Amino acid sequence: NAGVMQNPRHLVRRRGQEARLRCSPMKGHSHVYWYRQLPEEGLKFMVYLQKENIIDESGMPKERFSAEFPKEGPSILRIQQVVRGDSAAYFCASSPAGRHSGANVLTFGAGSRLTVL
Amino acid sequence: QKEVEQNSGPLSVPEGAIASLNCTYSDRGSQSFFWYRQYSGKSPELIMFIYSNGDKEDGRFTAQLNKASQYVSLLIRDSQPSDSATYLCAVEFSGSARQLTFGSGTQLTVLP
Repeated sequence: NAGVMQNPRHLVRRRGQEARLRCSPMKGHSHVYWYRQLPEEGLKFMVYLQKENIIDESGMPKERFSAEFPKEGPSILRIQQVVRGDSAAYFCASSPAGRHSGANVLTFGAGSRLTVL
Repeated sequence: QKEVEQNSGPLSVPEGAIASLNCTYSDRGSQSFFWYRQYSGKSPELIMFIYSNGDKEDGRFTAQLNKASQYVSLLIRDSQPSDSATYLCAVEFSGSARQLTFGSGTQLTVLP
């Protein structure tokens, strides 16, 4: 499967625990984006990363949230000390490098659904 | 504040009719516009993208862009019940370095 791979698909955490969500971009893509979708709401941008670099984290909450995209391995979105308001679907998307037509088209993964009890 | 506005609906059309979905955006300098479809509980999937003023057609779908009016629309011809989904408009605002801002989506129901 050459699509965007996210895991886990479903994650249940108790308040105060940590959640780690992983994303492997589509083959040939080097740009990764994380979006959050709260129930009955639209997609909200969180962070845009390339390998070993955070390009834009303007949508990330200032506390408890962090993201990385290491040289080897998947991108990881980490939420520390989760609260009930963190319950949402977290979507990862990827796009290819370059500035050619369609280079900024995002392909989304299936999402990780976090439930905080 | 850079915003993308969509009517949340729900929008209902009979099978075989044309569904018209509308989107306005706040930044006149925006260059890239996207329509995604999202079925309930699923991830967004790309329908079309458009960069230039005018119409762009792909099968039963036509995207229309009017940058002067800051307006982009999606027409679905010969609507099918399988088109029932939430349609998300997304804009890459100028200076946003590939970040897409999404509207809240329009829920479309095609009635058999």
